[in-house]
Amino acid sequence: DTGVSQNPRHKITKRGQNVTFRCDPISEHNRLYWYRQTLGQGPEFLTYFQNEAQLEKSRLLSDRFSAERPKGSFSTLEIQRTEQGDSAMYLCASSGDGGGNQPQHFGDGTRLSIL
Amino acid sequence: GDSVTQMEGPVTLSEEAFLTINCTYTATGYPSLFWYVQYPGEGLQLLLKATKADDKGSNKGFEATYRKETTSFHLEKGSVQVSDSAVYFCALSERTNAGKSTFGDGTTLTVKP
Repeated sequence: DTGVSQNPRHKITKRGQNVTFRCDPISEHNRLYWYRQTLGQGPEFLTYFQNEAQLEKSRLLSDRFSAERPKGSFSTLEIQRTEQGDSAMYLCASSGDGGGNQPQHFGDGTRLSIL
Repeated sequence: GDSVTQMEGPVTLSEEAFLTINCTYTATGYPSLFWYVQYPGEGLQLLLKATKADDKGSNKGFEATYRKETTSFHLEKGSVQVSDSAVYFCALSERTNAGKSTFGDGTTLTVKP
């Protein structure tokens, strides 16, 4: 169990640019989640994958955001035409089957700063 | 929708003091409840969980009991250490297949020697 890995750890970009983050979940976990966390707040759910299928998306996920999980392994989260309000920590988590009883294993996050 | 309300921080205690961090929730179903901890510079990690009413989760001297009648899941520790300084998040997860979690805003604990 090598844990959930996220890259990059930090991303600084200018407003209007596109950014892409990567998450490598724990290998035997088939569920993968993306959350966004701003200073002083708890993580907010963005989207969820069961294997390669994206099963739920939050209303927070505007059409500038897209997430993929090809082959049910790693996942990418892309933000197009970034805005100041996108500055946040983006967290990835994974879990095994078992529904809501299973705890989630989190990566260290990618901190996005929009200039 | 679901929500979690945590006691506001920050909380500052002396070493060996008793800790309580309050957490209450609202949920449409019958959720599982979790406490996660985030140490400085690290990601969130599970501290303890409880999956049904009256269950007590415990780990590293921390305890929390699932109280369905008061919709609460308060975190307690009898004697805190400097190394317990961290941000603590209460969370719930519905029993549907999604398993996504709803988090509180976190409580920052600082323990002074």
